[in-house]
Amino acid sequence: NAGVMQNPRHLVRRRGQEARLRCSPMKGHSHVYWYRQLPEEGLKFMVYLQKENIIDESGMPKERFSAEFPKEGPSILRIQQVVRGDSAAYFCASSLAGFSPLHFGNGTRLTVT
Amino acid sequence: SQQGEEDPQALSIQEGENATMNCSYKTSINNLQWYRQNSGRGLVHLILIRSNEREKHSGRLRVTLDTSKKSSSLLITASRAADTASYFCATDAETSGSRLTFGEGTQLTVNP
Repeated sequence: NAGVMQNPRHLVRRRGQEARLRCSPMKGHSHVYWYRQLPEEGLKFMVYLQKENIIDESGMPKERFSAEFPKEGPSILRIQQVVRGDSAAYFCASSLAGFSPLHFGNGTRLTVT
Repeated sequence: SQQGEEDPQALSIQEGENATMNCSYKTSINNLQWYRQNSGRGLVHLILIRSNEREKHSGRLRVTLDTSKKSSSLLITASRAADTASYFCATDAETSGSRLTFGEGTQLTVNP
């Protein structure tokens, strides 16, 4: 039973390019969360999605960032026109239902040069 | 300050000793969870304690919750070098829907 799969593990982008981060939740999980982590810091909530719906995007910057969780396929976190400040580890987590423990992927480490 | 703050920021102990980490939070919660993160990896769920529970055990882990003081503690007994990791508390606030708010973490180093 595969866990949460994130890819790529490492992503390097030049300033101004687009970054697309993918997350496949655990089998049977319909709740997906995206968090961002800077070095030596905790995780900061970005967005919570259920299939085809954004439930809470209060932690996601209004510009350049978007997320989706389509009926078929992985959840995608998209960052347009990346800047150096976007460099961080981005973690996806899934859960069976709201209020239940989260299962995390190993993250995508984005480096903007 | 933010919901879910761990104390201390860093803790270094010898193998066999107990490690205690504390977490304070600001708002009313539905539950509080503890997670562990090894360097370069995702978080792993350790234990969940509901707001109407005061203490919970899982193996060498013991978690307490004091809702009147808005605080929780995680005790790891008989620590091992493999327990070296960062430990985070996460709160599920009544007003935040289903999202968890994480603290900054405690970096635990267990020396062999």
